[in-house]
Amino acid sequence: DQQVKQNSPSLSVQEGRISILNCDYTNSMFDYFLWYKKYPAEGPTFLISISSIKDKNEDGRFTVFLNKSAKHLSLHIVPSQPGDSAVYFCAASAQAGTALIFGKGTTLSVSS
Amino acid sequence: DAGVIQSPRHEVTEMGQEVTLRCKPISGHDYLFWYRQTMMRGLELLIYFNNNVPIDDSGMPEDRFSAKMPNASFSTLKIQPSEPRDSAVYFCASSSRTGTLSGYTFGSGTRLTVV
Repeated sequence: DQQVKQNSPSLSVQEGRISILNCDYTNSMFDYFLWYKKYPAEGPTFLISISSIKDKNEDGRFTVFLNKSAKHLSLHIVPSQPGDSAVYFCAASAQAGTALIFGKGTTLSVSS
Repeated sequence: DAGVIQSPRHEVTEMGQEVTLRCKPISGHDYLFWYRQTMMRGLELLIYFNNNVPIDDSGMPEDRFSAKMPNASFSTLKIQPSEPRDSAVYFCASSSRTGTLSGYTFGSGTRLTVV
């Protein structure tokens, strides 16, 4: 049973518009939520994170929103750029003793 | 720091052969993780170590898979015998903690193809 779910395998957006990537989770013990970005032939790289005590974290063009009651988080990219085209993984873990659990990923394509 | 180093980058082997994947974590990181990426299952955790000791190997698919960490700077993931369904990209990652807002640092991965 998947604890972290990314139900949209792919997303296409035009340059300059907003990209919204979604993630749902089932484990209420999760305390940390992270987004990773992955380019072809490279390893995933950390993008942004949020702890369970917050509902929003912003870093430049990237904002992550957390809705604990709905067990849902989203990543907003504004404005989207062609260089943002990559696979985005949502990940979560409990505070201690358990490793990051990843979703299956969403492939974002930003066209110019 | 050179980051997490994995070797080889690509491996093509015949079914039934033994395969060994290698990883050098970032110096000072106490945790080392092995993940596997496939289209069907995404990034799934295979095993992780803390201070060279395996902590959770519940993700290791079957007895054909084994992992070792003989010292703080080296880990191996071995598949014996290999099967076509083992074809995937295998990632090693390291961190100073398990639960962390800073995440883990991943290597570039080993693309394994079993024919």
